[in-house]
Amino acid sequence: SQQGEEDPQALSIQEGENATMNCSYKTSINNLQWYRQNSGRGLVHLILIRSNEREKHSGRLRVTLDTSKKSSSLLITASRAADTASYFCATLGYQKVTFGTGTKLQVIP
Amino acid sequence: NAGVMQNPRHLVRRRGQEARLRCSPMKGHSHVYWYRQLPEEGLKFMVYLQKENIIDESGMPKERFSAEFPKEGPSILRIQQVVRGDSAAYFCASSGNAENQPQHFGDGTRLSIL
Repeated sequence: SQQGEEDPQALSIQEGENATMNCSYKTSINNLQWYRQNSGRGLVHLILIRSNEREKHSGRLRVTLDTSKKSSSLLITASRAADTASYFCATLGYQKVTFGTGTKLQVIP
Repeated sequence: NAGVMQNPRHLVRRRGQEARLRCSPMKGHSHVYWYRQLPEEGLKFMVYLQKENIIDESGMPKERFSAEFPKEGPSILRIQQVVRGDSAAYFCASSGNAENQPQHFGDGTRLSIL
């Protein structure tokens, strides 16, 4: 199974609502990153949280990290139609970044 | 500051041919990573290179696949004798030298095998 596994696999919400995505991982990490991928494009880095951090904010994004549970969550507040994309968590171990399978988010205008 | 550049964006090959995918990292980046993505799936790590060195190729098939990152020029992912199963999107990412640096991705090369 994947080092990083996102939950849910797909999420559909109305514009203006909040979207929460979760990521679980198995091994110890140096940091955890969240990326967004629009259809047919490469990944865009959103936010990086170090293993000694518990929460981080960037605009409408809030990321939490619980190393005891080996899990992270990404919260997008006041969602917009433009947030429609796939979201991946990625964990950095020793010199290797491992991506999860992604959450496909659809924001309905 | 140009981002990660990959070319071609789309590549069509017949079974048995060779595919060469190129990646120019962001300026100042000396770490390059290659990933493969199948439709509706996440990215699978293939190989991690620094200039003239392969650091980790644990995700790359032992046969037919090779990667290089020469002192001058782009990184190349080479697939020999392609098969239908090689059809995928191949993404390249680069990062700087410091610890805890995010990876910056190119828009990928979509490889189709006829």
